[in-house]
Amino acid sequence: EVQLVESGGGLVQPGGSLRLSCAVSGFTVRSNYMNWVRQAPGKGLEWVSIIYSGGATYYTDSVKGRFIISRDNSKNTLYLQMNSLRAEDTAVYYCARDDGQGGPFDYWGQGTLVTVSS
Amino acid sequence: DTQMTQSPSSLSASVGDRVTITCRASQSVSNYLNWYQQKPGKAPKILIYSASSLQSGVPSRFSASGSGTDFTLTISSLQPEDFATYHCQQSYNIPRTFGQGTKVEIK
Repeated sequence: EVQLVESGGGLVQPGGSLRLSCAVSGFTVRSNYMNWVRQAPGKGLEWVSIIYSGGATYYTDSVKGRFIISRDNSKNTLYLQMNSLRAEDTAVYYCARDDGQGGPFDYWGQGTLVTVSS
Repeated sequence: DTQMTQSPSSLSASVGDRVTITCRASQSVSNYLNWYQQKPGKAPKILIYSASSLQSGVPSRFSASGSGTDFTLTISSLQPEDFATYHCQQSYNIPRTFGQGTKVEIK
C-alpha cells in the first residue's frame, strides 16, 4: 500500500525556519518525481517545488532562494527546508508524487499545517 | 508561467443535476490537463488525467474533454458524495500550475 506521511509543520515566527518531512512507503522516492504543493486557508492549490528522479529541482518564484527540496534515499523521505518564512507562507503543505511523464499527481500525503505568525 | 482559470468559482446544484466546470490555460498545454476532487480537510484526489482519461476507480458519471487551452469537466448526474471542490492542473510544464478551484455546493 502506498502511503505518504508529512510531518514537521507548526507555528513559527516570521523570519524563522521549519523543515517538513514526507515519509513514503510503497514506492521509492529516488525513482520518482516528487512535489510539494501548498494550500493557504480558504484558497486554492499552489505548486511549490519538484525534485526529479535525476536530482534536478525547481521552485515557484515566491519561494526561490528561501526553500530547498531534498530527499534522503536511505530513509525514503522527501524534505522541504523552509527559511525566511513569511506570513504568506501560511498553508497546509502536501507532498505528492508526479508520474514523471507529464501525468497527474497520483499519490498525496494528508498534509501538514504551517502557520507563520508572531 | 501558464495561468489556469476555472469557471465558475462556485456553483449550487441539486442531486441528479448535470454539472460542467471549465478550465482555460493561458497557453497551450496540449492534453496535459488533470482534474482533482478535494473534500474539506482532505488531500486532493485525482479524477481525470491527460484531459479525458478516467482514473481507475472513479465513477463513470465523471467525464472530461478538451485540448490546447480549453477544457471541461462534466458530472452527468450529481451525487451527494460529489459535493466538493474541483481543481484543474496543467502538467505540461514547470511550474505545474493549478486553477483556483470550483466549489460545488448543495442547492
